[in-house]
Amino acid sequence: GQQLNQSPQSMFIQEGEDVSMNCTSSSIFNTWLWYKQEPGEGPVLLIALYKAGELTSNGRLTAQFGITRKDSFLNISASIPSDVGIYFCAGQLLRDDKIIFGKGTRLHILP
Amino acid sequence: DTEVTQTPKHLVMGMTNKKSLKCEQHMGHRAMYWYKQKAKKPPELMFVYSYEKLSINESVPSRFSPECPNSSLLNLHLHALQPEDSALYLCASSQGGLEETQYFGPGTRLLVL
Repeated sequence: GQQLNQSPQSMFIQEGEDVSMNCTSSSIFNTWLWYKQEPGEGPVLLIALYKAGELTSNGRLTAQFGITRKDSFLNISASIPSDVGIYFCAGQLLRDDKIIFGKGTRLHILP
Repeated sequence: DTEVTQTPKHLVMGMTNKKSLKCEQHMGHRAMYWYKQKAKKPPELMFVYSYEKLSINESVPSRFSPECPNSSLLNLHLHALQPEDSALYLCASSQGGLEETQYFGPGTRLLVL
């Protein structure tokens, strides 16, 4: 089946640092989504992207829908302890297709 | 009300038990979903209900039986589960169909003994 390649798999950073993660695919996607999941909770939608080239911010988070429609990135600026969690990218190949999830990026913040 | 709720939060059951997971949303969303998530893995789609009709069944074993009594409620009936079915079961909803963004509930953590 279709796959999203999400990287990095995990990150260890200092508080205050900026974070960048991305997802790529060999297929063209119509929608890119970024979710955050904390232990024992369901994924929470952070940013949804619907147009190639779209750059959207949500507070300290910024995500972009790649021009080729085969990739997306998520940046977190000035990380804080509550940013800890697993970040999943997700995409839809077609407008009426199911969501495909990346394997997640686990973010750790060092004291 | 902008959330999806799920009950129970935790469930332990034996392989001969029958139990049900419940999901509720009052956002007027017309599509609801069941996902299964194993530890350190992304969610995997199980079922999709669109306008109260089952539209997608991802080849899920019959020991999992979904039910959509109305547009706000989604149940997942469990019977004769196996230990490998232990996982976090997530419900999600979207305003329209699959083309709309999905919002997730907190999940039910299931342990099958």
